[in-house]
Amino acid sequence: EVQLVESGGGLAQPGGSLRLSCGASGFIFSNYWMTWVRQAPGKGLEWVANIKQDGSEQYYVDSVKGRFTISRDNAKNSLYLQMSSLKPEDTAVYYCASGGLDVWGQGTTVTVSS
Amino acid sequence: DVVLTQSPLSLPVTLGQPASIPCRSSQSLVHSDGNTYLTWFQQTPGQSPRRLIQKVSIRDSGVPDRFSGSGSGTDFTLKISRVEAEDVGVYYCLQTTHWPFTFGPGTKVDIE
Repeated sequence: EVQLVESGGGLAQPGGSLRLSCGASGFIFSNYWMTWVRQAPGKGLEWVANIKQDGSEQYYVDSVKGRFTISRDNAKNSLYLQMSSLKPEDTAVYYCASGGLDVWGQGTTVTVSS
Repeated sequence: DVVLTQSPLSLPVTLGQPASIPCRSSQSLVHSDGNTYLTWFQQTPGQSPRRLIQKVSIRDSGVPDRFSGSGSGTDFTLKISRVEAEDVGVYYCLQTTHWPFTFGPGTKVDIE
C-alpha cells in the first residue's frame, strides 16, 4: 500500500523551531519529487516547498524562504521540513505529498503560540 | 505570482443534478513544454486532499467518471455530471506551470 505518514508537529513558541518528518512506503521514494503543503485552520491549501529526487534542487514559497529547509534521506525513505524562526501565521496542518500530489499523508498539526 | 480565482466560493447543489466548478487563472497555464498543468483536488470533511484530475482533463485512477475536467489557457472547469452525497466537500484547483505553484481558494460544495 502506498503511504505517507507525517510526524513531528506540536506546539512551538514564536521564534522557535520544529522538525517535521514524513515516512514513505509502498513506492520507490527516490524516483519522485516530494512536496510539503500546509493548510491554516479553516483556510485553503498553500504549497510550501518541494525537493527533487536526489535533493539537488529545492523550491520554497516566499513566506518561508530563509526560515524553512526541506530535505530528504532516500536511504530511509524519509522527507523532512526543518522549520525555524516560527511565526503564528505558520500555524497549520502540514501535509507531505508525492511530487504529483497523487499521494498525501494524513497531516501533522503545527501550532505557533506563546 | 499566478492567481487562481474560484467563484463561487460556495455552491449549493441538488442530489442527482450536475454541478460546474470554475477556476480562472491570471495568466495562461500553457507551459513551454506544451502541457497545461492544472490539477483538481477534492477535500472532504476531516480528510486529506485527494487528487481527482491532472493536466486539465486526465482523471486519476479510481475517480468516478461523473467527474470531468475541461478548459484551456486561463479558464477551466470541473464538472460533476450527477452529484452524490459523498461529493460534499471543498474543491481546489492548482497550477504547477509557473513557480510559485498556487492553489485556488476552493469552492465548497454542499447539498441544498
